[in-house]
Amino acid sequence: DADVTQTPRNRITKTGKRIMLECSQTKGHDRMYWYRQDPGLGLRLIYYSFDVKDINKGEISDGYSVSRQAQAKFSLSLESAIPNQTALYFCATSDPPGSSGGSTDTQYFGPGTRLTVL
Amino acid sequence: AQSVTQLGSHVSVSEGALVLLRCNYSSSVPPYLFWYVQYPNQGLQLLLKYTSAATLVKGINGFEAEFKKSETSFHLTKPSAHMSDAAEYFCALSGGYQKVTFGTGTKLQVIP
Repeated sequence: DADVTQTPRNRITKTGKRIMLECSQTKGHDRMYWYRQDPGLGLRLIYYSFDVKDINKGEISDGYSVSRQAQAKFSLSLESAIPNQTALYFCATSDPPGSSGGSTDTQYFGPGTRLTVL
Repeated sequence: AQSVTQLGSHVSVSEGALVLLRCNYSSSVPPYLFWYVQYPNQGLQLLLKYTSAATLVKGINGFEAEFKKSETSFHLTKPSAHMSDAAEYFCALSGGYQKVTFGTGTKLQVIP
């Protein structure tokens, strides 16, 4: 089974709809992230969470919100979807640098969710 | 602040030729550096990482990268390209307790 799973894998929705993307991990990592990938722009960080009680905005958080329900679960919501939010969304996890086992903040990615907003 | 610059959004090589993907970084603290690969319709997976143990880092599928502090570079190489290497490659940086910063990616095309 995959260590980081995302649901749904594909979603088509209409402008103005509320959408939730879910991420679950079995790696036991404290840190979780949501990224957005657009052609030519690489990965841009939307939100990140270093533990259950810690939520931080990334570089492009406007129009998005998140919920860290447990160490293993991190959800991304689009409160009112708009067409320029059409993109590939990735969840990732990591252990912080210096934690047990010599962690280096290596990111482990889910398979992605392709979201299309019409 | 930290940053990563990947030179060349698209690189084309012939099958069997040398692959060289360039990455330069900026960090105020000793960095951890990574190369990730993304195959079509898949998530990113770790190719290799630099953690200060050795400047020449070997990764999966015959790739390696060399950390050059004086040049603030971490270029990715492979002596002989294979068709299966066609993918998008991302350089990334982690410094201290900051979040990871990714480059904008380089798409590698391998020509038969």
